Amino acid sequence: GAVVSQHPSRVICKSGTSVKIECRSLDFQATTMFWYRQFPKQSLMLMATSNEGSKATYEQGVEKDKFLINHASLTLSTLTVTSAHPEDSSFYICSARLSVELYGYTFGSGTRLTVV
Amino acid sequence: KNEVEQSPQNLTAQEGEFITINCSYSVGISALHWLQQHPGGGIVSLFMLSSGKKKHGRLIATINIQEKHSSLHITASHPRDSAVYICAVRSRDDKIIFGKGTRLHILP
Repeated sequence: GAVVSQHPSRVICKSGTSVKIECRSLDFQATTMFWYRQFPKQSLMLMATSNEGSKATYEQGVEKDKFLINHASLTLSTLTVTSAHPEDSSFYICSARLSVELYGYTFGSGTRLTVV
Repeated sequence: KNEVEQSPQNLTAQEGEFITINCSYSVGISALHWLQQHPGGGIVSLFMLSSGKKKHGRLIATINIQEKHSSLHITASHPRDSAVYICAVRSRDDKIIFGKGTRLHILP
């Protein structure tokens, strides 16, 4: 079945540094990818939607200059957390819409980011 | 009121028990997902439903579109089933809306 590989699964970084999270669709082309964030004991919340070859659409309240999303190819989308702060510590998950199945989505396994 | 409501929020059961987790939603949907989130955070997609019923091993998922309700059942539950189970719907305006999850703890 369609698989999205998300890396890294865990990352610890120092305040002020940048962290890149990658999501790759392994056996299908993902024209649209979604990035979510989950705080402890909260629901997953959509941060942004990225379409291959165009700028990402950010949800209200999400800083686009802080959370840089790049979807340069049909198989790779990246989320870069720039100048990370401890409050950016969270769980980040990507999801891809399956281009061959009308209603299908598949999810990455998530990245736990800890900023110290 | 959340657009996707799950119940119960927390559930503790003995090994071997039959488990039911419910999901109700208030928006029109094109599909519903059940996800499993392990303690480390990793998410596994269990089912994607648009009608009827699906079965995979000891897991069964059903959906009633008219009643806007879905259930996830686990038969012969096992401690390794302990996780957070999340219901997510794809709305007609193409957004994924997540429930807050049900924390399941199966005691040996």
